[in-house]
Amino acid sequence: AQSVTQLDSQVPVFEEAPVELRCNYSSSVSVYLFWYVQYPNQGLQLLLKYLSGSTLVKGINGFEAEFNKSQTSFHLRKPSVHISDTAEYFCAVSDQRNTGNQFYFGTGTSLTVIP
Amino acid sequence: DTGVSQDPRHKITKRGQNVTFRCDPISEHNRLYWYRQTLGQGPEFLTYFQNEAQLEKSRLLSDRFSAERPKGSFSTLEIQRTEQGDSAMYLCASSATGYTEAFFGQGTRLTVV
Repeated sequence: AQSVTQLDSQVPVFEEAPVELRCNYSSSVSVYLFWYVQYPNQGLQLLLKYLSGSTLVKGINGFEAEFNKSQTSFHLRKPSVHISDTAEYFCAVSDQRNTGNQFYFGTGTSLTVIP
Repeated sequence: DTGVSQDPRHKITKRGQNVTFRCDPISEHNRLYWYRQTLGQGPEFLTYFQNEAQLEKSRLLSDRFSAERPKGSFSTLEIQRTEQGDSAMYLCASSATGYTEAFFGQGTRLTVV
């Protein structure tokens, strides 16, 4: 089975400052890794994903994440945040062997950008 | 719009009533998922369809819950004899063979009073 831990439930940050949202996972098998964003009363939108290859992946809205296999981490970063980045962010994994692609999500990190 | 569509967006019901939600996936997506999200939590997997076949069910899906996907297109999720603990956002997602990510709808927020 897989599990995902998002270490920070709330992250306040000033506008134009950098931010890092932390994600650690546990799995006995190889997994794909994802970050999704959820705006209030909306569904989830894919920010970026890691499948294989380069450990640094770039996504939409200027976000990037780095896969670290030895530390089983997939932290999300943005060098300069905007007010519009205020949202809930979810890290997720899926089993590479499972053709059903069931996702396991963390509990989320609420990012608040302060003007 | 070719995204995942869910109906209704909001539902308020009295405890003990039955409710049914509908999900229309992205056209030609053969995989469909239902997730439940409670306040302050991440989405939790409920069930998965490949075409019309329900291939996987979570133990969270008690016998009061039933999901169908007739003809492998839209899906319905029914909750019988609703309880206050059923209050949550119910998310539908779809995907296709060869895809690694899923595409989510905007969800149906259920409030049981």
